Amino acid sequence: SQKIEQNSEALNIQEGKTATLTCNYTNYSPAYLQWYRQDPGRGPVFLLLIRENEKEKRKERLKVTFDTTLKQSLFHITASQPADSATYLCAPASNSGYALNFGKGTSLLVTP
Amino acid sequence: DTGVSQDPRHKITKRGQNVTFRCDPISEHNRLYWYRQTLGQGPEFLTYFQNEAQLEKSRLLSDRFSAERPKGSFSTLEIQRTEQGDSAMYLCASSTRLAGALETQYFGPGTRLLVL
Repeated sequence: SQKIEQNSEALNIQEGKTATLTCNYTNYSPAYLQWYRQDPGRGPVFLLLIRENEKEKRKERLKVTFDTTLKQSLFHITASQPADSATYLCAPASNSGYALNFGKGTSLLVTP
Repeated sequence: DTGVSQDPRHKITKRGQNVTFRCDPISEHNRLYWYRQTLGQGPEFLTYFQNEAQLEKSRLLSDRFSAERPKGSFSTLEIQRTEQGDSAMYLCASSTRLAGALETQYFGPGTRLLVL
């Protein structure tokens, strides 16, 4: 069966450090993968999308990598700030599909 | 504000009552989705509309759940005879297919349901 796994433990890091979040998937062949941010009590907010033929994508302090051989995506936040504290969700997707299948998310806490 | 809106934001009801939630998508989006999210889990797909047509329903959507999108704009999700297990955040998202068949979904703030 299809499975999406994200770091089950919350990630606590110090302000200014780089946070790295992992998304592994099995029994998927995604054409692209999306990362969303979710704050408590709110809906997910789209951050980045990376296609299967792209190795890396950047947006400001965010960087996403996508390794279709390892079936893994890494999400990096450089120079992290307390305002980056949230849950981050990954969602591999296919061109033929429509619904997003999300991992459980990784909770990130950035402390001053 | 041109984002996805949902109403109400919070709903408390007693077991056995019916509840209805509304979603107003981004106006130019022809696709609309409903998801359910429980604590510590990612959103789980419930159902999907393209314009007014409901094209897919998850097996999570029991007979007590019904969704409509009568004019291809706003959508409603009704839960009949609510059960305590229905307590969750109900999220609505909308999208439009981009060039190259990529799609980003934009989520509303959700309706948090508590069934007592």
